[in-house]
Amino acid sequence: KAGVTQTPRYLIKTRGQQVTLSCSPISGHRSVSWYQQTPGQGLQFLFEYFSETQRNKGNFPGRFSGRQFSNSRSEMNVSTLELGDSALYLCASSLIKLGLAGDEQYFGPGTRLTVT
Amino acid sequence: EDQVTQSPEALRLQEGESSSLNCSYTVSGLRGLFWYRQDPGKGPEFLFTLYSAGEEKEKERLKATLTKKESFLHITAPKPEDSATYLCAVQARSGNTPLVFGKGTRLSVIA
Repeated sequence: KAGVTQTPRYLIKTRGQQVTLSCSPISGHRSVSWYQQTPGQGLQFLFEYFSETQRNKGNFPGRFSGRQFSNSRSEMNVSTLELGDSALYLCASSLIKLGLAGDEQYFGPGTRLTVT
Repeated sequence: EDQVTQSPEALRLQEGESSSLNCSYTVSGLRGLFWYRQDPGKGPEFLFTLYSAGEEKEKERLKATLTKKESFLHITAPKPEDSATYLCAVQARSGNTPLVFGKGTRLSVIA
């Protein structure tokens, strides 16, 4: 079974631009979560989507948004990029919504975003 | 606020030298504690979920244990391929809470 895929793998953007990252979950998985990983802060939760609905959102500004499609694929968007947004953005999928038995998350390889 | 602290930050072992990684947590009612392994340039790889104090799980040279305040990841006779960053995360019982991750322990196993 194919794992979680993320595109693109690497991205370089300029301050003020916006970016869209894509995530395809494992086949059959309906929950998709997004995380930001930086050396200083570690892995921080951005949001979770289940059945096209955002269930939870982490402590990030409104510039960070996401959505999920009917086929469970998800996108996240960051508008008005800042230097501090440079990070590895990880997508994780799970079979069911977080908080229920069997909600182990499987991560993709990430998208490395560099903002200059 | 839920918190996870992992120690040590970095650990260097000789091949075959067993050791343990620590994950201390503060959470308002633990639903689950998760261990992941992350190799450079890759996403975290799921290892274990522990749900209650006293629970233990094993996989090859790794064994995870859980108490009411901390979890240990024991590595027995490690090999160089065990070198990675090991991440611990907790999930609270209340509501649809997300995982809260520690900053990880970077393990290097030298042949």
